[in-house]
Amino acid sequence: NAGVMQNPRHLVRRRGQEARLRCSPMKGHSHVYWYRQLPEEGLKFMVYLQKENIIDESGMPKERFSAEFPKEGPSILRIQQVVRGDSAAYFCASSPLSFTGSYEQYFGPGTRLTVT
Amino acid sequence: TQLLEQSPQFLSIQEGENLTVYCNSSSVFSSLQWYRQEPGEGPVLLVTVVTGGEVKKLKRLTFQFGDARKDSSLHITAAQPGDTGLYLCAGDDKIIFGKGTRLHILP
Repeated sequence: NAGVMQNPRHLVRRRGQEARLRCSPMKGHSHVYWYRQLPEEGLKFMVYLQKENIIDESGMPKERFSAEFPKEGPSILRIQQVVRGDSAAYFCASSPLSFTGSYEQYFGPGTRLTVT
Repeated sequence: TQLLEQSPQFLSIQEGENLTVYCNSSSVFSSLQWYRQEPGEGPVLLVTVVTGGEVKKLKRLTFQFGDARKDSSLHITAAQPGDTGLYLCAGDDKIIFGKGTRLHILP
């Protein structure tokens, strides 16, 4: 019973390069969320997706960041032309929508992005 | 804008002591979740509270949802070093997370 999987666990990029972060949700989950966490801080919501749909991207920077969750395959968070300020831990979570309507989320281990 | 305020931000206590941490908002949530996060790992779901006034127990951890569904508390009895971590509360609707309480239990 695999949990949420993220890869890579660690990613180093030079300024100006692209970063691609992958997330495979738990089996049977069709909702995916991406969060960013800076050291010693809480989680900041970025985007909420269902298969082939972006439901809420209100936390996503307008430029350089994009996310997708295709019909087949993992969800991808893409950061173009990375800058040092993008260095952070990026967490993906997946959720079923339970009968109570609560959004219990199951998190992956995160991808730690370092921009040099 | 919905906000979840967690207090205290940091708490360091001796093993065996009891403690309570809080999650407060001016908004009503249909449910609140509590998570624990250890360094280098993703948050792990501890509990979901749904009904106003609800109390849930998980071994030495007791979670309560306020009657008005705007706040929640987590009480730990006889804290152990294994309880050390960042405790996060989260509300649905707009997937809001508090900044967390960083708990350190001294052996």
